[in-house]
Amino acid sequence: DAGVIQSPRHEVTEMGQEVTLRCKPISGHNSLFWYRQTMMRGLELLIYFNNNVPIDDSGMPEDRFSAKMPNASFSTLKIQPSEPRDSAVYFCASTLFGGTNEKLFFGSGTQLSVL
Amino acid sequence: SQKIEQNSEALNIQEGKTATLTCNYTNYSPAYLQWYRQDPGRGPVFLLLIRENEKEKRKERLKVTFDTTLKQSLFHITASQPADSATYLCALGANTGFQKLVFGTGTRLLVSP
Repeated sequence: DAGVIQSPRHEVTEMGQEVTLRCKPISGHNSLFWYRQTMMRGLELLIYFNNNVPIDDSGMPEDRFSAKMPNASFSTLKIQPSEPRDSAVYFCASTLFGGTNEKLFFGSGTQLSVL
Repeated sequence: SQKIEQNSEALNIQEGKTATLTCNYTNYSPAYLQWYRQDPGRGPVFLLLIRENEKEKRKERLKVTFDTTLKQSLFHITASQPADSATYLCALGANTGFQKLVFGTGTRLLVSP
């Protein structure tokens, strides 16, 4: 099992540019989560999907953030336009909701730096 | 508002001792609580889950307690080793129909040889 795969691992961009983060969940999982981690605020849930449908996006900070899950094996988180305060580590996680253990499996994250 | 508190200061202990980490919460009634380990540059890794009707859970050298009256969970690592050095996160979940975990900011544990 390859685990949750995120790309890129690192992204450096300039303010105002569009940024797209990618995630491939574990095969067979039906729930996918996007988290953002900073020193000050820790891990914050941005949005989560169940069976490719967005269930709760109340954590998405602004309209500049959008997320899609076109199929069970792929999701994107887009920031347009990016701002320096968006700099953080973005994690994708997946799980099988309704299984016997509700633990989350996290990817290695994307370190985003907006200059 | 919901608040989850973990000691922001690093916990330094000697190898072989028991490490005890604390997770306190307010304005929340979790159905279960989870603990994760996070190493630098990596995503969190699940360690243990304990439900609201369970007082204690063990897994090898790990022990978790859950006191819904005190609104507190304690995470113990017995016979600690330098390889246990990492940041440990607690996460609370509610019976909302869908999994929605809220994480604490984590406590960094340093185990010295």
